Amino acid sequence: AQSVSQHNHHVILSEAASLELGCNYSYGGTVNLFWYVQYPGQHLQLLLKYFSGDPLVKGIKGFEAEFIKSKFSFNLRKPSVQWSDTAEYFCAVRGGSQGNLIFGKGTKLSVKP
Amino acid sequence: EPEVTQTPSHQVTQMGQEVILRCVPISNHLYFYWYRQILGQKVEFLVSFYNNEISEKSEIFDDQFSVERPDGSNFTLKIRSTKLEDSAMYFCASRGGVTTGELFFGEGSRLTVL
Repeated sequence: AQSVSQHNHHVILSEAASLELGCNYSYGGTVNLFWYVQYPGQHLQLLLKYFSGDPLVKGIKGFEAEFIKSKFSFNLRKPSVQWSDTAEYFCAVRGGSQGNLIFGKGTKLSVKP
Repeated sequence: EPEVTQTPSHQVTQMGQEVILRCVPISNHLYFYWYRQILGQKVEFLVSFYNNEISEKSEIFDDQFSVERPDGSNFTLKIRSTKLEDSAMYFCASRGGVTTGELFFGEGSRLTVL
């Protein structure tokens, strides 16, 4: 069965610091990988996704993620965070034949101004 | 921009009562999903729906749960007899017909069971 592990439960950074959130997945087949963000009081929004091709994927708001097949990882990065990046970040892998997503437990990011 | 809408945003109910959560997916989407997120925990898949029938469901989606698309626009989740542990945020999502398409989520319905 597919599963997703996010290593950090809560990350606290100062503005302008660099960010890397870990995500590892287990799935035996071709993967589709996603990062979603949930700002306080809002719904889940797609940050970026990987289906195939270039393993370095660029998303919205300066985020990027790198798919490393040998490590079963899809870590999220941003070179310089802003206070407005304070949110919860969810890694997800597509599982099942009907496209449902399996989510990790999420990482809460708090950025201090 | 088209979006998934959910009602109510918050519902408080007594244990044992029936609850219906409503969702209006994006109009040309074909796949529909319900997820839930218990406070402090991860987003969990409940059920997927395609072509007017359940296509996949998780262990959480037991006989107390049902889904329906009664009129071609709404997509509902019914909990027949709520339990305390059903308290959670329930998210509806939809996806177009593309195999690799992303899921678009609604803002969620918070259910509090007392």
